[in-house]
Amino acid sequence: GEDVEQSLFLSVREGDSSVINCTYTDSSSTYLYWYKQEPGAGLQLLTYIFSNMDMKQDQRLTVLLNKKDKHLSLRIADTQTGDSAIYFCAPPGRGSQGNLIFGKGTKLSVKP
Amino acid sequence: DTEVTQTPKHLVMGMTNKKSLKCEQHMGHRAMYWYKQKAKKPPELMFVYSYEKLSINESVPSRFSPECPNSSLLNLHLHALQPEDSALYLCASSQVAQTGLNYEQYFGPGTRLTVT
Repeated sequence: GEDVEQSLFLSVREGDSSVINCTYTDSSSTYLYWYKQEPGAGLQLLTYIFSNMDMKQDQRLTVLLNKKDKHLSLRIADTQTGDSAIYFCAPPGRGSQGNLIFGKGTKLSVKP
Repeated sequence: DTEVTQTPKHLVMGMTNKKSLKCEQHMGHRAMYWYKQKAKKPPELMFVYSYEKLSINESVPSRFSPECPNSSLLNLHLHALQPEDSALYLCASSQVAQTGLNYEQYFGPGTRLTVT
């Protein structure tokens, strides 16, 4: 089945860049997503990239996709304390029913 | 409007109770999802509805019974739950996936369920 790996923790200082990495096994041609979850809340769609792209930039967020290595990363520039949350990558799940498979999530802690 | 609403926000129920979780969206999405999320874990898919028909049931025990009465509403009926069913239950919606193409899912804030 689908396997999605993320490192569990990342700690950075305010103002630094954060890079959260994700590796996956499925190679469908579709969208790959990043979600953010703050404590006690639902998942917030952050950004996405289509599988025929290498990079997508959206304000402070940059998504890089290495399709050959099945590696996805999310870079947050000028990280703020409000960015502290758990970040999930979501490559496509099996089948065509729209389900997503989530990585285990990376807990980002931003120190002032 | 990209809002998915869920009620109630919190629910405490005994193992013999029957309760329902509700989810609503007005984005015109025809795919709706239930996920279960335990503490410090990613969401796990439970059910998918496409065009108001159940399309995926991820081997969920029958004490969880989903219902999609119309294209905007999704319910999850609960009966005879166990303490290990305590979790955050998340609803999501999206456009219906086409072959090989999955669309972004929008999530509600979740219902925090505690089974005593």
